[in-house]
Amino acid sequence: GNSVTQMEGPVTLSEEAFLTINCTYTATGYPSLFWYVQYPGEGLQLLLKATKADDKGSNKGFEATYRKETTSFHLEKGSVQVSDSAVYFCALSDRETSGSRLTFGEGTQLTVNP
Amino acid sequence: DAGITQSPRHKVTETGTPVTLRCHQTENHRYMYWYRQDPGHGLRLIHYSYGVKDTDKGEVSDGYSVSRSKTEDFLLTLESATSSQTSVYFCAISEADRGRNIQYFGAGTRLSVL
Repeated sequence: GNSVTQMEGPVTLSEEAFLTINCTYTATGYPSLFWYVQYPGEGLQLLLKATKADDKGSNKGFEATYRKETTSFHLEKGSVQVSDSAVYFCALSDRETSGSRLTFGEGTQLTVNP
Repeated sequence: DAGITQSPRHKVTETGTPVTLRCHQTENHRYMYWYRQDPGHGLRLIHYSYGVKDTDKGEVSDGYSVSRSKTEDFLLTLESATSSQTSVYFCAISEADRGRNIQYFGAGTRLSVL
């Protein structure tokens, strides 16, 4: 079956530090990959996505590259801000699974201190 | 704004009582989902729907039932709530029926079963 593994959290950084959150996946088909972000008290919001190997998703200074050879989709940002403090979820959707269901990782709590 | 409304936003109930959570969408999407969010587990799919009266089980469906009598409403019912069902519940819709494999989430319902 499909699965997503994220690096364990929580992660605490100082403002302007470099961020990497690791994500690896297992899928039977050819998945699309996503990063969602959840701010306190809110639902999940799509941050970025990639639909095929070597695609790079980017948004709000965050980037992630779909690496089929290493089955990874690591999230990076060059300079984090306090406002980036949130929980980040890696997820996949397997086109061969009906209903376009998402499989999520456990989530990584990021705290950015001023 | 994906036009998703969950109600209630918060609920406290007692073990053994029935509970129904409502998800309402305004965008006329075919696919709708119910997830639960628990620490250390990310989001896990409970049930999903691919049209009126068409529903299927997700990975954690035991103890839950759903109904979809109208395109815009997807109801999640706990027939006899247990303490293990204390969680945050999220509804989502997918744009897969419009060629975009992206899910949008509601703000969540925090359920406490005492």
